[in-house]
Amino acid sequence: EVQLVESGGGLVQPGRSLKLSCVASGFTFNNYWMTWIRQAPGKGLEWVASITNTGGSTYYPDSVKGRFTISRDNAKSTLYLQMNSLRSEDTATYYCTRARGGLYLPHYFDYWGQGVMVTVSS
Amino acid sequence: DIQMTQSPASLSASLEEIVTITCQPSQGIGNYLSWYQQKLGKSPQLLIHSATSLADGVPSRFSGSRSGTQYSLKINRLQVEDTGIYYCLQISSTWTFGGGTKLELK
Repeated sequence: EVQLVESGGGLVQPGRSLKLSCVASGFTFNNYWMTWIRQAPGKGLEWVASITNTGGSTYYPDSVKGRFTISRDNAKSTLYLQMNSLRSEDTATYYCTRARGGLYLPHYFDYWGQGVMVTVSS
Repeated sequence: DIQMTQSPASLSASLEEIVTITCQPSQGIGNYLSWYQQKLGKSPQLLIHSATSLADGVPSRFSGSRSGTQYSLKINRLQVEDTGIYYCLQISSTWTFGGGTKLELK
């Protein structure tokens, strides 16, 4: 059974840092791209970061580029999201997802974790 | 970046009714469109990928279609457990979700 379990969320002050983790099980982790998706309270879904199966390439939207860093440790089947210079607009539930499909870029997310809440507030 | 127009934003329907939700990308995306269901307080779940392929374990009353540049999610014979928020997702150079459709029972 595929499982994705996020951790590391919490309350953090604006301008500070936080690192999220996602432990994967039930599949061969190093065969898949992985992605972080977030959802602000009462809002829709927003793509945050993606990483190739080897970790050799990463992708970000402009809203987090230069502040967030996605990484992975394939030996530990663990995905990370380092979030620096946090802003109030980064307040959201962050989901770890497995990416599938596509010749060059995955085009859907077939498994999602339960999510971890990040609150940025003074 | 490609924008996704999802409609309607909210929808109220009766049990056993047929429900259709649409997404319109601002540019062509081929069949790189997927649909997700999010029940209250839960993580989103994949329903449809590649515009028309049903994800594993998803009831056959859900279906996806494409007509030109318009993509649709259809629910045949709406059930109580189908209430929630539905999102479409496209990938061109980046991943973009539609704004969501909140589906309630009438």
